Amino acid sequence: EPEVTQTPSHQVTQMGQEVILRCVPISNHLYFYWYRQILGQKVEFLVSFYNNEISEKSEIFDDQFSVERPDGSNFTLKIRSTKLEDSAMYFCASRDRGDEQFFGPGTRLTVL
Amino acid sequence: GESVGLHLPTLSVQEGDNSIINCAYSNSASDYFIWYKQESGKGPQFIIDIRSNMDKRQGQRVTVLLNKTVKHLSLQIAATQPGDSAVYFCAEKGADTGRRALTFGSGTRLQVQP
Repeated sequence: EPEVTQTPSHQVTQMGQEVILRCVPISNHLYFYWYRQILGQKVEFLVSFYNNEISEKSEIFDDQFSVERPDGSNFTLKIRSTKLEDSAMYFCASRDRGDEQFFGPGTRLTVL
Repeated sequence: GESVGLHLPTLSVQEGDNSIINCAYSNSASDYFIWYKQESGKGPQFIIDIRSNMDKRQGQRVTVLLNKTVKHLSLQIAATQPGDSAVYFCAEKGADTGRRALTFGSGTRLQVQP
C-alpha cells in the first residue's frame, strides 16, 4: 500500500541553524501539507501546497518557514533559523482529489 | 473529552467492551469530519470520516456519530482490543472556499486493559 515517507525520523539542531525536513508524498497525490505537533499537544496546520504554490498557511507559518517541491517526488519544509519553540513533531500529509489526508510517520525536531 | 495543555483525558476500558470517545468542534461551517488514531511515535492514521449531510456512518468495528445541533462528534469502537490503545483525535475541515486544511481537536487517550 502506498504511503507517505519522511526523513529524517529525528533531527537535532542548534538554535539559529537552518533545517530541511523532507517528505515523499504518495505518488499520484496533488495536495501536500505540513502539520506540527508540540509534545503532548494537538496537531496544528502549518501550510498547504498545490500546483507548485502555497494555497493556504497558518499564523505559525511565518517568514522563517518555506516549502518547496524541488522535483516530482519530494516536498520539503525549511526552517531558516530555528528557535527552541520549533521543537516538535512535523508531519507531512498528502491527498488526491478526495478529502482524506494521508499522514507520514513524522520527523521529530529537537532544537537545543 | 477535551484536553488542556499536556493533560490528555484518558478513557480506560476492558478488552471486549465498547468504547465511546467524544469531541466537540467549534466551526459550524465545517462540512467534513475525520477520526484519526495516533500510536506512540507515529503519524495520525485515518479511521473513519463523515460529511455534514450525514449523522451516522459505520465502518468495521467503528461508528461515527455527528450531532450538528450541538457541534458534537463521537467515535464508537465495538469490542475494543489491546491494539486499539492509542490517542484518538477528531479533525474538521471548513466548508470555506479553499479551506482544505484540517483543524484537530486535543485528543483522548484510550487504554485497553487485557
